[in-house]
Amino acid sequence: DAGITQSPRHKVTETGTPVTLRCHQTENHRYMYWYRQDPGHGLRLIHYSYGVKDTDKGEVSDGYSVSRSKTEDFLLTLESATSSQTSVYFCAISERGSSGNTIYFGEGSWLTVV
Amino acid sequence: QKEVEQDPGPLSVPEGAIVSLNCTYSNSAFQYFMWYRQYSRKGPELLMYTYSSGNKEDGRFTAQVDKSSKYISLFIRDSQPSDSATYLCAMSGGIQGAQKLVFGQGTRLTINP
Repeated sequence: DAGITQSPRHKVTETGTPVTLRCHQTENHRYMYWYRQDPGHGLRLIHYSYGVKDTDKGEVSDGYSVSRSKTEDFLLTLESATSSQTSVYFCAISERGSSGNTIYFGEGSWLTVV
Repeated sequence: QKEVEQDPGPLSVPEGAIVSLNCTYSNSAFQYFMWYRQYSRKGPELLMYTYSSGNKEDGRFTAQVDKSSKYISLFIRDSQPSDSATYLCAMSGGIQGAQKLVFGQGTRLTINP
């Protein structure tokens, strides 16, 4: 357990509404990530953060924004949700080990856009 | 063509069998290779982590990396029903800074008692 909590765990929302997913970590990790997981695509990186107020885009960032105002919280926002954003969203952190940084994932947030 | 290719299966084997899971990749810059196990409706769990070419063993699990062929494998010996899960390979080019992993699409494995 890497001390990651995602909320909400399940959400159904309507097309066009804003949605914010929250990732909270308790172990002061510098790097945090948001991935989405879809059938046939595996996990794909949306955005990541390398410190407070320091974020960058991943592979599939269109339609998403992020914010990190505190070390422990990394927020993912869908400004205007679309059906193509129905997915499972995973937050992750990097933990430094003897062989380098390894990534640990949270339990996921299931989002359905109707 | 995807950067990382993984046969999605599904793969079904009897208990006690040796399981071989594989991924191929196209980016020669990848140096760090991981295998994750994911149970249904759970987050991926790091199983094995290897650097460059070679083998790494942990209990019933062995990870192999062949960089010359751009091919990685995960072997599970004496497979158990509790090994039934989706297995994802992942890789990245560096260990410093942000680790931007590239994943295969996962292989769904079922071990039949």
